[in-house]
Amino acid sequence: SYVLTQPPSVSVAPGETARLTCGGNNIGSKSVHWYQQKPGQAPVVVIYYDSDRPSGIPERFSGSNSGNTATLTITRVEAGDEADYYCQVWDRSDDHLIFGAGTKLTVL
Amino acid sequence: QMQLQESGPGLVKPSETLSLTCTVSGGSINSGNYYWGWIRQPPGKGLEWIGTIYYSGHTYYNPSLKSRVTVSVDTSKNQFSLELTSVTAADTAVYYCARMEAVAGPYDTFDIWGQGTMVTVSA
Repeated sequence: SYVLTQPPSVSVAPGETARLTCGGNNIGSKSVHWYQQKPGQAPVVVIYYDSDRPSGIPERFSGSNSGNTATLTITRVEAGDEADYYCQVWDRSDDHLIFGAGTKLTVL
Repeated sequence: QMQLQESGPGLVKPSETLSLTCTVSGGSINSGNYYWGWIRQPPGKGLEWIGTIYYSGHTYYNPSLKSRVTVSVDTSKNQFSLELTSVTAADTAVYYCARMEAVAGPYDTFDIWGQGTMVTVSA
């Protein structure tokens, strides 16, 4: 079955740019969604359909998807961005939804 | 604003059936505009999709759980439910219910989530 690969952790200093990746075989042919989850809270969508941003999500959050890697980019990282981030795709081969294992973003 | 709320036992014995209900308020589950899903998260671990249902009753399940899972909808009560049979300690998790817009199919985002309910499997 289809597998999504996310690095367990990414660390950046405040004000820097964080790039969180989500790898998968030809993931560029799929639509990728990204969630942010803070401790004790339900996940929140930060990017949908590869690069669209829901209302209320800062422009600092952007997404791209090509080849075997989808990327969530967070510019001018703030302490409040510290959270777990999950990518999500739909596997049409057997009609099921997959989450990546998640990346913990630490703001130094 | 639509809201979702999970309810059910917080403790289930091994080999028994876990049953949870999600009550939808602020909108109709019968509108056809949404899919309804269950997602779980074991303590300290990532998200795992369990299953998704449309108001018509059409379901999609995680292949790894399919043999033990039933998701159903009760439009008269504006609720949908999860049953997971033969539970073990590995099923201990926070269980979330969530809404997905039915724009093109069951592969959109879950845009509204319940607060989650912790279910522990233990004797």
